[in-house]
Parts: sequence; structure tokens; C-alpha cells
Amino acid sequence: GDSVTQMEGPVTLSEEAFLTINCTYTATGYPSLFWYVQYPGEGLQLLLKATKADDKGSNKGFEATYRKETTSFHLEKGSVQVSDSAVYFCALGFSGGYNKLIFGAGTRLAVHP
Amino acid sequence: DVKVTQSSRYLVKRTGEKVFLECVQDMDHENMFWYRQDPGLGLRLIYFSYDVKMKEKGDIPEGYSVSREKKERFSLILESASTNQTSMYLCASSSSSTTGELFFGEGSRLTVL
Repeated sequence: GDSVTQMEGPVTLSEEAFLTINCTYTATGYPSLFWYVQYPGEGLQLLLKATKADDKGSNKGFEATYRKETTSFHLEKGSVQVSDSAVYFCALGFSGGYNKLIFGAGTRLAVHP
Repeated sequence: DVKVTQSSRYLVKRTGEKVFLECVQDMDHENMFWYRQDPGLGLRLIYFSYDVKMKEKGDIPEGYSVSREKKERFSLILESASTNQTSMYLCASSSSSTTGELFFGEGSRLTVL
């Protein structure tokens, strides 16, 4: 079945470091891919998305490129801040599927000053 | 802004009790979802609804039921709570006209003793 695999956390970085969180997927068909973020004490919110191969999603300095050949959607940010500390979830979904998403296990990021 | 409100942030119940978790959204969304969030497992879909009185099972429906009598309200019911249902429960809603953008509530942390 369809699934999403994320790198295990926690990821601990110093402020201004480069961030990569790996995400790979298995899917029949051509899914859309998403990154959601959950800040402490809050619900998840959509961070960025890409709907087809080679699309790049970006928001708040974060980027991810939909790579069909490697079935990946890695999240990157050039310079993290303490305020980026959160749990990040990779997800996939299909158009016409009632927006039913399949989520990865989540990766906790801790950024220290 | 879309608002998804879950009725209780924290609940403590005893084994065998009937538990109701309520969720209300204010954006006239067609789709509503109940996910369960556990460390290392990410989000798993319990049930979803794509219209009033319409519901479908997700990946882990056992031990749960749902009710959607009005478009804005989606309830999760644990008929007889068990300790393995101790978890964080997340409600979400989405419009059928967008792909993958779910709006989440802040979550309800349920402890079953």
C-alpha cells in the first residue's frame, strides 16, 4: 500500500545551521506531496506542497522538490531559527480522494541558540 | 481564518467508559477527519466523512465510531474505552475543491486509566 517514510529524529541543530529532513514515499499512481508542521501545543498546519514531479514547494524559507525518480520529497532550510523547533510531517495524497492523507511518523527538530 | 475547534484539550477516563470527542469547523468544509497521533507512528486515520451522515473507515477504525449529523460537527465515539486508546486525537477538515490542505484542531489528549 501507499506509505511515507521519514528520517527518525530528533534532529538537533544550532541556530543558522542547514536543515535537511529526508522523506521518501511509496505510492501507486501520482500523488501530491506535502510537509506539515506542528509547533508545541498546536495542531498541524500545512507548510508547503508540490502536486507533480519536479515541482518545488516553498514557504517561510523552507523548500522541498518532488523527485519522482527517487520517490523523495526532502525538506530543506538554509538557516534555521529557534522558532523552527517543531515536529515536521511528510504526507501524500491523491486528487479526488477526499483529501485523505497518509502521513509519515514525524521528525522532531530542536534548534538551540 | 479557518478554525477547527475540539471540545476538550485533556480528558481522563476510566476503562469501559463511553467517551465523546467533539469537533466543530467554521468554514463549511465538506470533509472532516479524525486522526490518532502516537509517538513513532505519526498520524493514523480513524474515520473520515465527506458529507453529512456519510462516513468511511480509515486505517484503524476498530473500537471507534463517528457521527456527523450537521456539516460543521464531527464526533468521535469510544463505546468502551480501553487503555490502548490513550492517545492524542486530532480532528481536521478540508474543502473538496483543494488537494491536501487540511486544517487541524489543537488536539484532544485522552488518558484511559
